[in-house]
Amino acid sequence: EIVMTQSPVTLSVSPGERVTLSCRASQSIRNKLAWYQQKPDQPPRVLIYDASTRAPGIPARFSGSGSGTEFTLTISSLQSEDFAVYYCQQYNDWPLLFTFGPGTKVDIK
Amino acid sequence: QVQLQESGPGLVKPSETLSLTCIVSGASISSHYWTWIRQPPGEGLEYIGYIYYNGRTNYNPSLRSRVTISEDTSKNQISLKLSSLTAADTAVYYCAKIRDGYNYVDYWGQGARVTVSS
Repeated sequence: EIVMTQSPVTLSVSPGERVTLSCRASQSIRNKLAWYQQKPDQPPRVLIYDASTRAPGIPARFSGSGSGTEFTLTISSLQSEDFAVYYCQQYNDWPLLFTFGPGTKVDIK
Repeated sequence: QVQLQESGPGLVKPSETLSLTCIVSGASISSHYWTWIRQPPGEGLEYIGYIYYNGRTNYNPSLRSRVTISEDTSKNQISLKLSSLTAADTAVYYCAKIRDGYNYVDYWGQGARVTVSS
């Protein structure tokens, strides 16, 4: 089973700052990675799929990169509505299984 | 626009079986993959399983012995049954759609909060 890890666990930032979140897979998942954003009492929403493709309607300040085992989500200039928990998810094991990382919480400094 | 709405009991007793339903609108359940994902309070997301074309299913190995996902095409809904419940099954249960050919989740329901307690 592929294990996903994310760092940091929590990130305290100020609006306008650049944010970089990391996600690592225990083995190569090629580019089969999605990033989701989740706000309190809401379901997640997809931001990025296939490691670097923005989902429809997602602002350009969100970008993804990486392949193999190391991935990054970057928010170029954090807006107030971006304070949330971010999860990565691998789907390289599909159709058998997909797994999520434990999440990174981005909160206000 | 695809919409998903979960429903079910908010409180279930230990050792009992949880039954949840997800009504889908805006898409035919016969044409896509549909998944259940859960999230314990304050924790991350866990894949439970999925159902696709003609009722074929796949389950997370860690839950396989207790899970059944089924469909009712006449009502355009999918269902989840989880047996032998314990407090560890307390979670928000999400019904979601998997994007064809890409395999990430593109639509989510609002979630059904389930507490397992006597």
